[in-house]
Amino acid sequence: QQQVKQSPQSLIVQKGGISIINCAYENTAFDYFPWYQQFPGKGPALLIAIRPDVSEKKEGRFTISFNKSAKQFSLHIMDSQPGDSATYFCAASWANRDDKIIFGKGTRLHILP
Amino acid sequence: DAGITQSPRHKVTETGTPVTLRCHQTENHRYMYWYRQDPGHGLRLIHYSYGVKDTDKGEVSDGYSVSRSKTEDFLLTLESATSSQTSVYFCAISRSGGTDNSPLHFGNGTRLTVT
Repeated sequence: QQQVKQSPQSLIVQKGGISIINCAYENTAFDYFPWYQQFPGKGPALLIAIRPDVSEKKEGRFTISFNKSAKQFSLHIMDSQPGDSATYFCAASWANRDDKIIFGKGTRLHILP
Repeated sequence: DAGITQSPRHKVTETGTPVTLRCHQTENHRYMYWYRQDPGHGLRLIHYSYGVKDTDKGEVSDGYSVSRSKTEDFLLTLESATSSQTSVYFCAISRSGGTDNSPLHFGNGTRLTVT
C-alpha cells in the first residue's frame, strides 16, 4: 500500500520526441508528488513536483499530469534532448510522516541524438 | 549541491570489517537521511534523523546503525560488512521532512564495494 510503482524501467526516445514516464500509487494519504532527476555519478535532484489539488503542472519542457481518481501521475518531457538522458524517480510523501517519502524504482531515459 | 559532503566517495572493504560513512552538511537542516541505491530497487531508506541524537529506522535498516551527535554530521556504520551491502549510498537533507516546500537535497554518493 505504500509502494509507488514506476514504469517503464528504461526508455529510449529520439531527439525532439516526447518522453513519458508513469507512476501509480495506492495510499490516498499521499499529498506531495515530486520527480527527481539523476545524472551518472551524481545524487538525485528535485526536478518538478505537484500536489493533488491540481491536475497539471508545467515547468519549461517538463510537465506533470496528475489523475487523482486513478491514483496515477506522469512526467512528460517535450522536445526531448540528449542532455535529458538521466535516471528519473517519481516519489510520494505525506504530511506528518517524517520518514515517508517513497520512491519509485526509477526509469533510465536515453535520448538518441 | 546544497552544501552536502559525503566521505569517502569510494571504498573497497572486506567482508566482516566495520565501515563508517560520513555525511556533512552546511545548511543547518533538521532532517538527514541515508539511502542506498541498487539496480532494480531504486532508492531505499536505511535510517533517518529528525534532530541531534534523534534517529529512526527506514525500510532496510538491518545491519546498519547511525549516529548524529551534531546537526551537521550524520554517520552510517556497517558493523560487519557483507557482500549484500555493496551499493551506492546517498545522504540527503531536508529542512522539514521532504514534503512540499522542503524537498530532499542529495549528496553525490559513496560507492561501497564489499569483497
